[in-house]
Amino acid sequence: DVKVTQSSRYLVKRTGEKVFLECVQDMDHENMFWYRQDPGLGLRLIYFSYDVKMKEKGDIPEGYSVSREKKERFSLILESASTNQTSMYLCASSLGGSNQPQHFGDGTRLSIL
Amino acid sequence: DAKTTQPPSMDCAEGRAANLPCNHSTISGNEYVYWYRQIHSQGPQYIIHGLKNNETNEMASLIITEDRKSSTLILPHATLRDTAVYYCIVRAYSGAGSYQLTFGKGTKLSVIP
Repeated sequence: DVKVTQSSRYLVKRTGEKVFLECVQDMDHENMFWYRQDPGLGLRLIYFSYDVKMKEKGDIPEGYSVSREKKERFSLILESASTNQTSMYLCASSLGGSNQPQHFGDGTRLSIL
Repeated sequence: DAKTTQPPSMDCAEGRAANLPCNHSTISGNEYVYWYRQIHSQGPQYIIHGLKNNETNEMASLIITEDRKSSTLILPHATLRDTAVYYCIVRAYSGAGSYQLTFGKGTKLSVIP
């Protein structure tokens, strides 16, 4: 079974802090993704990566950056956390290719106070 | 990506087959149909996907009509743990910008003891 592990289920941080969310997958997947999920807005793609050190912006990259130094690990960074970044953050991975499904972790519920 | 229409909610008796419909009348030839589900406070779970042939795996079966304008997800023997929101998604691969998964409102399936 595919395993996507997010480092924390719940996280509370303060406004202005730099926040790191970590994601690890154990299936040697080429692609990795970060989404946020908010009530009424569905899933929105923040960033994705199709290879080590490669990244592409999704629909809402502002205020975020990412790092992929190793194939299995994809980190999301909130440079200076703000209250409007309070959300559920979901990491996903998939094989490369045109129709491969994305497999999700259990999410990190982040609260910015 | 084509729009999908699903009923907002359904009930199913435990042990019976759950048949979840999805309408995607504007689907184009290169778009796949994916099904995911999300149990409260967890990340989305991939179930199955297909292009035009019926598909079956250990979790479910996917029946796609010959004109591909609708599909049905079948959970053959529903259990209480299958209570979740089920999302039908159609998606084509057309380059880097197509990785976004667009989740609609889905169908809330309640399995009744």
